[in-house]
Amino acid sequence: QSVLTQPPSVSAAPGQKVTISCSGSSSNIGNNYVSWFQQLPGTAPKLLIYDNGKRPSGIPDRFSDSKSGTSATLGITGLQTGDEADYYCGTWDSSLSAFVFGTGTKVTVL
Amino acid sequence: QVQLQESGPGLVKPSETLSLTCTVSGYSISSGYYWGWIRQTPGKGLEWIGSMYHSGSSYYNPTLKSRVSISVDTDKNQFSLKLKSVTAADTAVYFCARGNVVAKAYCDYWGPGTLVTVSS
Repeated sequence: QSVLTQPPSVSAAPGQKVTISCSGSSSNIGNNYVSWFQQLPGTAPKLLIYDNGKRPSGIPDRFSDSKSGTSATLGITGLQTGDEADYYCGTWDSSLSAFVFGTGTKVTVL
Repeated sequence: QVQLQESGPGLVKPSETLSLTCTVSGYSISSGYYWGWIRQTPGKGLEWIGSMYHSGSSYYNPTLKSRVSISVDTDKNQFSLKLKSVTAADTAVYFCARGNVVAKAYCDYWGPGTLVTVSS
């Protein structure tokens, strides 16, 4: 049972924008960095965003994030069929002294 | 480039110990970062198991802490996972990963994953 809650699914048409929320608490999102991962079917998760909006080499700026209080949001603009995947947020939980993942969100391109 | 590769038995009997090794290439474990393990039950989400710094500092998932140990072998540039007393609930794809999990909360390089089935 994850301490970070995400919507099970979101969907939009190609070219549109989707946002994925990640809700936590003061012991995790509220006082720690948040990262976001994309997992295509049958593959390992890939780091999308970390350290206050940094993107690893090769990740397009269509992916962005924001944080407010104890919630974080991943935004994907210019949605493409290749963006169909599961997306997870992650952060450090200071109370648990553990890294925690969100429940995951499936993005569907209509 | 940094690459990680998991290896170990794909089938483990109930009550026995699951042992996996992650071989790192393109980066020296002793240069820094935390080295850890994450698992994913078929069709479910990601679960962090634990991470160890090259110098020995380690953190474990509280729900697994009593059964888990992670060790680092800087000479072989490998790190390993041992999970004791496994049950069917431990059947999962196990990923190894490099990360800055505490200070910056991310894992940037992952292995492709290996499926471990617990069954008699």
